[in-house]
Amino acid sequence: ETGVTQTPRHLVMGMTNKKSLKCEQHLGHNAMYWYKQSAKKPLELMFVYSLEERVENNSVPSRFSPECPNSSHLFLHLHTLQPEDSALYLCASSQDKGTGDEKLFFGSGTQLSVL
Amino acid sequence: AQSVAQPEDQVNVAEGNPLTVKCTYSVSGNPYLFWYVQYPNRGLQFLLKYITGDNLVKGSYGFEAEFNKSQTSFHLKKPSALVSDSALYFCAVNPFGNEKLTFGTGTRLTIIP
Repeated sequence: ETGVTQTPRHLVMGMTNKKSLKCEQHLGHNAMYWYKQSAKKPLELMFVYSLEERVENNSVPSRFSPECPNSSHLFLHLHTLQPEDSALYLCASSQDKGTGDEKLFFGSGTQLSVL
Repeated sequence: AQSVAQPEDQVNVAEGNPLTVKCTYSVSGNPYLFWYVQYPNRGLQFLLKYITGDNLVKGSYGFEAEFNKSQTSFHLKKPSALVSDSALYFCAVNPFGNEKLTFGTGTRLTIIP
């Protein structure tokens, strides 16, 4: 186990649904991340939080809404998604978001299917 | 612009043989380089990183990687492959002082018994 837990593991939703992905880290880290993993594509960084403050948003559509209530928890709220949003969504954490040499600890991901 | 390339989608190696998974990068400055591994139904796990110093970096599970500045490469290697090494391997690059980690598309490594 990496110390980063994601729920649910699998999620199927319709385009009009609203759902949330949850991530919790037990490592005492200060930075948390959302990544999107699609087949044969590079991992796409979606959002970065450092000390509960959003520090990066990589032009992600507004149908994805992150929330970081404290340094241990990260949510990704989903609404009116499109079929092309189907992917594996990975949460990660690192000790800090500093000079870029920190290693990331990933959760097992949520496999999302949008019908 | 920064980018990282993994030229092989799939690599097959017989058990016990040496393995190499290739990675090249194009960034400005002195990069930080990483390898991550993803086993089935798991998130990515850190294997090793190059920041500075010795060009040969040793990591988890007997893997190592060699930083070659002239060829802008950071190939992952292991002297003797195990079936349990079968997984998806990602190279990632982060230019010094830049905080965005860019991942490659991944290489699926299959070790054949």
